[in-house]
Amino acid sequence: DVKVTQSSRYLVKRTGEKVFLECVQDMDHENMFWYRQDPGLGLRLIYFSYDVKMKEKGDIPEGYSVSREKKERFSLILESASTNQTSMYLCASSPGTGYGNTIYFGEGSWLTVV
Amino acid sequence: KNQVEQSPQSLIILEGKNCTLQCNYTVSPFSNLRWYKQDTGRGPVSLTIMTFSENTKSNGRYTATLDADTKQSSLHITASQLSDSASYICVVSVVRGGATNKLIFGTGTLLAVQP
Repeated sequence: DVKVTQSSRYLVKRTGEKVFLECVQDMDHENMFWYRQDPGLGLRLIYFSYDVKMKEKGDIPEGYSVSREKKERFSLILESASTNQTSMYLCASSPGTGYGNTIYFGEGSWLTVV
Repeated sequence: KNQVEQSPQSLIILEGKNCTLQCNYTVSPFSNLRWYKQDTGRGPVSLTIMTFSENTKSNGRYTATLDADTKQSSLHITASQLSDSASYICVVSVVRGGATNKLIFGTGTLLAVQP
């Protein structure tokens, strides 16, 4: 089974702190994604990566950055956490997004910024 | 504007009953449509994926339909079980230039199955 592992399930951080969310997948997938999920808004794409060291901005990249130094690992970085970044963060990976390519999600990381 | 709208927002049914969830989309150019199940506090799990040439796709008690002409999809759940209580998310993939399609997510239908 494909496994997408998010290292932290629950985090509480202070405003202004630098926050790292780590995601690892074990299926050699090209594509990896970071989403945030807020009630009533659905999943919104923050950043995605289609190859090592390659990244593209999603719909809401402001206040975030990412790193993909190795194929299996995709990190989301909040340079200076703010309270409006309190949310659930979902990492996903897939071999592609065309037909036949399943997108696998991690279990989510709940971040609270106080 | 690419949009995916789901209805109803929430639904309560009794165990053993059937139900149908709706998804309407205004997306172009269309690549494929997916349904995901998300248990509370967990990540979404794939149920079905369909391209424009497929009308129906089943996964156990879950059956998805797609009408590419009217841009509508439905997810039918047969003989519901308590474990079906979850949020069901419709996701439409939009073709774009480059390596990766764009995924447009609906806000989900929250289903509660009661004994």
